[in-house]
Amino acid sequence: AQSVAQPEDQVNVAEGNPLTVKCTYSVSGNPYLFWYVQYPNRGLQFLLKYITGDNLVKGSYGFEAEFNKSQTSFHLKKPSALVSDSALYFCAVSDSGGGLNAGKSTFGDGTTLTVKP
Amino acid sequence: GAVVSQHPSRVICKSGTSVKIECRSLDFQATTMFWYRQFPKQSLMLMATSNEGSKATYEQGVEKDKFLINHASLTLSTLTVTSAHPEDSSFYICSASGNTYEQYFGPGTRLTVT
Repeated sequence: AQSVAQPEDQVNVAEGNPLTVKCTYSVSGNPYLFWYVQYPNRGLQFLLKYITGDNLVKGSYGFEAEFNKSQTSFHLKKPSALVSDSALYFCAVSDSGGGLNAGKSTFGDGTTLTVKP
Repeated sequence: GAVVSQHPSRVICKSGTSVKIECRSLDFQATTMFWYRQFPKQSLMLMATSNEGSKATYEQGVEKDKFLINHASLTLSTLTVTSAHPEDSSFYICSASGNTYEQYFGPGTRLTVT
C-alpha cells in the first residue's frame, strides 16, 4: 500500500519569507513523487516531480522540492513567497513498480498555503 | 504543460437520470486516464483508472455499474453516472497521464442531483 501525509492543514507565511509545505510518504517500491497546486476555482496543476536522479528538483513558479529517502519526505519549498502563491497544495506518490497500483497516485489531504502581504 | 478539457463544467439533473462527463487530452496522447471525486476541503478520491481500449479498473467501494467509464481513444474518456441520486452530487475530476508519469487534470465537473 502507498500513502502520503501532509501534516499541516494550513501554512501561513508573510510575503517575501521562505515557505515550506511538508510531505512524507510510504510506498513499497521506489517512489515517484509529485506536487500539484489548486488555485481557487481552478483545476489542479502539476508543479514538479521526482522520478530519479538529483534529489533536488525544481518546478514551476520558483518552487523546488527535495527528495529525502531516509526520512521518506518530499517537502515543497520556495525561497521567497508571493501573495499569488496562496492556494491548496497536494503531494502525491506513485509506486515505480508494476502491479495493481501501477500508474496510480495517492494524494495527501492537501495543505492550504496563505501568503499575507 | 499539457491541456485536459472536461465537459460539462456544471450539470444539474433529476434523480434517476444519467449524466455523461467527457474528458479530453487536447495536445498529447493519454495512455491512462483517471477519474476522481473531490469533496469540499478534502483530497481527491480515486474512483477508477482507465487505459485506452481496456476495461476500467475501479477502486474498492466504487460501483462499476453505476459509474460507467469508457476510454475509447488516447484522447477521450467518458464517465457516465447512471441512475443518479442526490448522494452522487459531487465534484468530479479527470486526469490524463502519458509516459512522463505526472497527471494533467481537467477543470472538473460539478454535478448536482435534485
